[in-house]
Amino acid sequence: ILNVEQSPQSLHVQEGDSTNFTCSFPSSNFYALHWYRWETAKSPEALFVMTLNGDEKKKGRISATLNTKEGYSYLYIKGSQPEDSATYLCAKYNTDKLIFGTGTRLQVFP
Amino acid sequence: DVKVTQSSRYLVKRTGEKVFLECVQDMDHENMFWYRQDPGLGLRLIYFSYDVKMKEKGDIPEGYSVSREKKERFSLILESASTNQTSMYLCASSSSGGPTYEQYFGPGTRLTVT
Repeated sequence: ILNVEQSPQSLHVQEGDSTNFTCSFPSSNFYALHWYRWETAKSPEALFVMTLNGDEKKKGRISATLNTKEGYSYLYIKGSQPEDSATYLCAKYNTDKLIFGTGTRLQVFP
Repeated sequence: DVKVTQSSRYLVKRTGEKVFLECVQDMDHENMFWYRQDPGLGLRLIYFSYDVKMKEKGDIPEGYSVSREKKERFSLILESASTNQTSMYLCASSSSGGPTYEQYFGPGTRLTVT
């Protein structure tokens, strides 16, 4: 079974800090990598879908980069706010389905 | 906005009961998915469907079945619930099955089997 790994498992930062976390995946048979944000008591929501090596996507203070050759993606949050507190999931597309990592749980303290 | 709804947020059932989890999406999406989420294991795919009356096994289909009689509705069935099926169940849909199509998730059903 394909393994998608995320690190760290959890992260506690102070409001205003910038932070980043990693998604690692097998580089073979790459089609797309998805990032989702899952806030407590809400539904997971898509942040980015990335397909090209070297791609960088941005949404407000959140950005992501992709390295398909070495099999990793970074998610960056600049100037973290309490509303960024959530679990961030990445998923690699593999033969008609997404394989999810275990997530990084981010808590931002005021 | 795409809306995916699930029949219950919380459900408590007894061992051996037959359990139905319902999912409805309102955007005419072709594809629908059922996942379970357990601490430390991430989202794991149980079953998915690309069309009405069509189903495909995911990574952990044992102990589950599904039904898709209408395009907007995808049901997950636990034929005889067991305690190891206590979990958070998430339904999702996407407009197509290709790699770049994001999935839209429901709010989840937290099922407890006692």
